[in-house]
Amino acid sequence: GAGVSQSPRYKVAKRGQDVALRCDPISGHVSLFWYQQALGQGPEFLTYFQNEAQLDKSGLPSDRFFAERPEGSVSTLKIQRTQQEDSAVYLCASRPGPPQETQYFGPGTRLLVL
Amino acid sequence: DQQVKQNSPSLSVQEGRISILNCDYTNSMFDYFLWYKKYPAEGPTFLISISSIKDKNEDGRFTVFLNKSAKHLSLHIVPSQPGDSAVYFCAAETYTSGTYKYIFGTGTRLKVLA
Repeated sequence: GAGVSQSPRYKVAKRGQDVALRCDPISGHVSLFWYQQALGQGPEFLTYFQNEAQLDKSGLPSDRFFAERPEGSVSTLKIQRTQQEDSAVYLCASRPGPPQETQYFGPGTRLLVL
Repeated sequence: DQQVKQNSPSLSVQEGRISILNCDYTNSMFDYFLWYKKYPAEGPTFLISISSIKDKNEDGRFTVFLNKSAKHLSLHIVPSQPGDSAVYFCAAETYTSGTYKYIFGTGTRLKVLA
């Protein structure tokens, strides 16, 4: 079966450019998470969706970051006016739903802001 | 303020021997701990987990031990195989106000020598 997919896999952006990163979770998975992973660090939580509801966005680093999941499946992470410090791998993970169950990660999108 | 710490950035072990990866945490409210394995250019893959009410969980060659009084957990891999060479992340789960959140350590790169 298909796992979590993310696109694009690599993105090079000029500073100030807007970018949109897409996540296709496993079909039927209720929960969806976005993480940011800087070089040499572990994934850092950005935001969490349960179906279409964004229940936690406390990890978004600034108001330039925006995430949506309008129909409770595909999600998009948008970064406006990108800065060099936004360069990282952005990981998406989905999970079937409560109770506690493992997350399934996508391969990530590597973003480089020049 | 890192709530989940992996103090060893790297570890080398001979094939067939035991690999022990360590993780410390500071928040006694964490209720679930997970280990993930990550190969280059891929997302993390779930390996094994343990509930905070248990002190050991075993799955084949992988065993996780939890010492709540010391706020310490460890992953044992026996016997280690070259295919185990990867970055291992420890993660802690919290569930608060209907929201799941996962906090990751910085990872330990394991190299199993043939």
